[in-house]
Amino acid sequence: GAGVSQSPSNKVTEKGKDVELRCDPISGHTALYWYRQSLGQGLEFLIYFQGNSAPDKSGLPSDRFSAERTGGSVSTLTIQRTQQEDSAVYLCASSLGTGQTYEQYFGPGTRLTVT
Amino acid sequence: AQSVTQLGSHVSVSEGALVLLRCNYSSSVPPYLFWYVQYPNQGLQLLLKYTTGATLVKGINGFEAEFKKSETSFHLTKPSAHMSDAAEYFCAVSEIGGFKTIFGAGTRLFVKA
Repeated sequence: GAGVSQSPSNKVTEKGKDVELRCDPISGHTALYWYRQSLGQGLEFLIYFQGNSAPDKSGLPSDRFSAERTGGSVSTLTIQRTQQEDSAVYLCASSLGTGQTYEQYFGPGTRLTVT
Repeated sequence: AQSVTQLGSHVSVSEGALVLLRCNYSSSVPPYLFWYVQYPNQGLQLLLKYTTGATLVKGINGFEAEFKKSETSFHLTKPSAHMSDAAEYFCAVSEIGGFKTIFGAGTRLFVKA
């Protein structure tokens, strides 16, 4: 079956604009994660969805960042009023469920550049 | 709080030489440990993981790692490097029963012909 897909693969936007990044997880995976990967940095956890439970938003860096997951499947990460420091690769991952024996499957990422 | 330290942001080896990528972690409880690899312009792919049981874990592409609790380490090794191993490698830790995985900063492996 298909892996995790993300769109767009690249996004260039002007400072102050809003952007939406999309993630399609693997079918049947109940857990979905968003990470941010900045140049020379590790992966920074942003948000986690598990089934119909309330998401864990503890990693979101500011209130300009939000995410939703519709129907327990597709997720959208929205960044409002983008800033240059938001430039990074945004990675989405999904897994079968809770419990860390479940491997996370990563998408190819969306490279966001804020000019 | 959990954390992961990868020693060396860049490691360069000759083709056929031993690969050793170092990872140390801190965790207040027994952890799950992972190594992921990221090839250029791709997402991360799981190389191997330690959950319970045997402390020497074998993964894909000839890589293996050993969980050493006394040293809080989970170093990644491969006896003989191949050009195709050139990539970025991430060590990660999570608590048993938890969901949040903490990643290290990554080590970029260069393989010289």
